[in-house]
Amino acid sequence: GENVEQHPSTLSVQEGDSAVIKCTYSDSASNYFPWYKQELGKRPQLIIDIRSNVGEKKDQRIAVTLNKTAKHFSLHITETQPEDSAVYFCADERGGADGLTFGKGTHLIIQP
Amino acid sequence: DAGITQSPRHKVTETGTPVTLRCHQTENHRYMYWYRQDPGHGLRLIHYSYGVKDTDKGEVSDGYSVSRSKTEDFLLTLESATSSQTSVYFCAISESQGLNTEAFFGQGTRLTVV
Repeated sequence: GENVEQHPSTLSVQEGDSAVIKCTYSDSASNYFPWYKQELGKRPQLIIDIRSNVGEKKDQRIAVTLNKTAKHFSLHITETQPEDSAVYFCADERGGADGLTFGKGTHLIIQP
Repeated sequence: DAGITQSPRHKVTETGTPVTLRCHQTENHRYMYWYRQDPGHGLRLIHYSYGVKDTDKGEVSDGYSVSRSKTEDFLLTLESATSSQTSVYFCAISESQGLNTEAFFGQGTRLTVV
């Protein structure tokens, strides 16, 4: 993709509450939208992804929604737990060899 | 975890010296990438490779060069290190482009230029 905006940069929620992180993209050719989780001092790892022919995808407590018309997609985490504390990155890809374009990340803090 | 390793894991070097970081994969994936990660900037693409001897520039390629002489190795060279290149460097691999393109990351290399 060309540019991916991610908000907020920091999100603090109470344990058990839901968290939502939003991203917008500019490249209308983007067709793949993954989310990566990076724990402190670790490598980023894929937690969920969605393709442009799907509007929503769920995997247990996490879900991703995609609005192609508005060019935005969101990560939803329900019933947050302490182990959800991490930095989350959204990304997009249009299928070129240059791969993924990442947002700047959201530091999610789960308050006990 | 995918078979991808970076070396060294940590390095301190002086301004003006050349530095080479190595990424080694055992997955036989075609695509390899070098990113740098800095606070407030996320992951930014430096260079990428789509095959042996096939490489191209990413978003922040100035001051960096790469080489891929074998499928399994992708080298990143800082020709003359500067303090602005102090960062955490991640290598990533991907089997294909387009759909189903999960990228697997190495453990990262923390580089400090003094």
